[in-house]
Amino acid sequence: NAGVTQTPKFQVLKTGQSMTLQCAQDMNHEYMSWYRQDPGMGLRLIHYSVGAGITDQGEVPNGYNVSRSTTEDFPLRLLSAAPSQTSVYFCASSSYRALSSYNSPLHFGNGTRLTVT
Amino acid sequence: KNEVEQSPQNLTAQEGEFITINCSYSVGISALHWLQQHPGGGIVSLFMLSSGKKKHGRLIATINIQEKHSSLHITASHPRDSAVYICAVLPSHEKLTFGTGTRLTIIP
Repeated sequence: NAGVTQTPKFQVLKTGQSMTLQCAQDMNHEYMSWYRQDPGMGLRLIHYSVGAGITDQGEVPNGYNVSRSTTEDFPLRLLSAAPSQTSVYFCASSSYRALSSYNSPLHFGNGTRLTVT
Repeated sequence: KNEVEQSPQNLTAQEGEFITINCSYSVGISALHWLQQHPGGGIVSLFMLSSGKKKHGRLIATINIQEKHSSLHITASHPRDSAVYICAVLPSHEKLTFGTGTRLTIIP
């Protein structure tokens, strides 16, 4: 079991460029989510999915796009990168649709450090 | 005001001390998570609570739903416990809300 795999680990973009952050899990988890982590702030939810074909917005969705064509993959697309998107991005998955289930811990990827110049 | 407040923001203690980290939240929730973020950046889930108390090794987590408060305790602290501890709550609809974390440093 690889768990949650995020790629790349580091990325530098110029303003206006687009790119895709990859997230894959091999645990057959229904729930997958993307967060950004900025200094002095908690993790903030960007987008999430409760199953293949289903996505929804989180707290800070602007400038990001997601799709969930398979259970395993949940890529995050930056449409036109801006310096405000400089951050560390985490993908996480869980085994149940409803995170309040008793045995649904979150599994995190190792993060992607993105710098937009 | 943040929906999730953690205290203290920073905590430095000597090895062996009993550690308490607090989390208060302002909304009704169905579950609360405690996470650990290592200095290298990786995040690990420690506990998920909806009521009462859970224990895993030297870690104990408690929650009081009526008071909207949770605590994470570490007994016999060790330098390897040095990390950022993050509280997250689930108000509704699968959208977790996170605290800003407590940075714990244990000195040998």
